[in-house]
Amino acid sequence: GDSVTQMEGPVTLSEEAFLTINCTYTATGYPSLFWYVQYPGEGLQLLLKATKADDKGSNKGFEATYRKETTSFHLEKGSVQVSDSAVYFCALRKAAGNKLTFGGGTRVLVKP
Amino acid sequence: DTAVSQTPKYLVTQMGNDKSIKCEQNLGHDTMYWYKQDSKKFLKIMFSYNNKELIINETVPNRFSPKSPDKAHLNLHINSLELGDSAVYFCASSQDGGGRGSYEQYFGPGTRLTVT
Repeated sequence: GDSVTQMEGPVTLSEEAFLTINCTYTATGYPSLFWYVQYPGEGLQLLLKATKADDKGSNKGFEATYRKETTSFHLEKGSVQVSDSAVYFCALRKAAGNKLTFGGGTRVLVKP
Repeated sequence: DTAVSQTPKYLVTQMGNDKSIKCEQNLGHDTMYWYKQDSKKFLKIMFSYNNKELIINETVPNRFSPKSPDKAHLNLHINSLELGDSAVYFCASSQDGGGRGSYEQYFGPGTRLTVT
């Protein structure tokens, strides 16, 4: 079946450091890929998405590129802030059906 | 106005009880979902309804029964609660129910269920 694997956390960084969270997926066909963010005590919010190979999603300084050859969708941000502390979820959605399959989440803690 | 709302936010109850969680969305979406997030933050879909019709039903004990009185509401009723049901339950909604496109799912704030 479909699955998403992302690096385990927690990831602890200093402010202005570079952040990378690895995400790889297993799925047949051509899924859409997403990054969701969950701030403490809140629900999930869509951070960015990409719907086909080589698409780059970007939002709030975060970027991720859909790499079909490596089945990856790594999340990056060049300079993190304390407010970026959250849990980040990688997810895929198949073309047929509207079910999101999530990775296990990566907790990121940014210290001042 | 809150887009996807859930009540209650916290629910503490004893084993064996029956409880319900309510979800409402005011986005005009056709599809609604329930997800379960365990203590390790792992998220898994439980159910999905499109226009009051069940379209996704993952391997969930039949003690869990979703009910959609109209397309703006999707409630989750849980019978005979067990310790393992303790989790955060998220409701979500999206515009797309036909499987085409990559419409965003909007999540509610979650209901933290604690079974003692």
